[in-house]
Amino acid sequence: ILNVEQSPQSLHVQEGDSTNFTCSFPSSNFYALHWYRWKTAKSPEALFVMTLNGDEKKKGRISATLNTKEGYSYLYIKGSQPEDSATYLCACGRSNDYKLSFGAGTTVTVRA
Amino acid sequence: GAGVSQSPSNKVTEKGKDVELRCDPISGHTALYWYRQSLGQGLEFLIYFQGNSAPDKSGLPSDRFSAERTGGSVSTLTIQRTQQEDSAVYLCASSLGTPGQRSYEQYFGPGTRLTVT
Repeated sequence: ILNVEQSPQSLHVQEGDSTNFTCSFPSSNFYALHWYRWKTAKSPEALFVMTLNGDEKKKGRISATLNTKEGYSYLYIKGSQPEDSATYLCACGRSNDYKLSFGAGTTVTVRA
Repeated sequence: GAGVSQSPSNKVTEKGKDVELRCDPISGHTALYWYRQSLGQGLEFLIYFQGNSAPDKSGLPSDRFSAERTGGSVSTLTIQRTQQEDSAVYLCASSLGTPGQRSYEQYFGPGTRLTVT
């Protein structure tokens, strides 16, 4: 199991502001980086799966970038809304394995 | 369409009892995963099933934990002689993933919250 770290652990954002947070992972034998959004009392929901260095993915106001050489991914939320409040999980898979190693998550609270 | 379902949603059991947790994956998904999240921790991999292949049990924390998947569909996670440290949310996920392709997103069920008293 890989050491996947997310920072910060939590953050509070004013509605309308933009924010971003980080997922770092070991770059050796990298295969894929997943982002999930986990809202309270719901199932984790897949946001992005990225595999290539330099990948950028976008879904509405949420986007993510990937740097496999240095082992990090950023997730951005533009113009935060209360419905963006959730825990955002990243997970990393290696090329010789099919297990995903998850970070502990970044909990985002958007204040109206 | 129907997503991943899990039952029960909540389970309170006494220390030493056995429990069974059930997962119904999305129809057609060949890969099935079990995870758990203990308080304040990230998601911890437990076990992986892929089609008819032997499951990867490397994440099971002790021999009190076992899982099976019948007919390539429904899966049951069994915890024998439960301990208080087994208290956690147990999540099941399924994906289209094949052994040679691991970039498929996983679809999660709502989880079973297990409390061992």
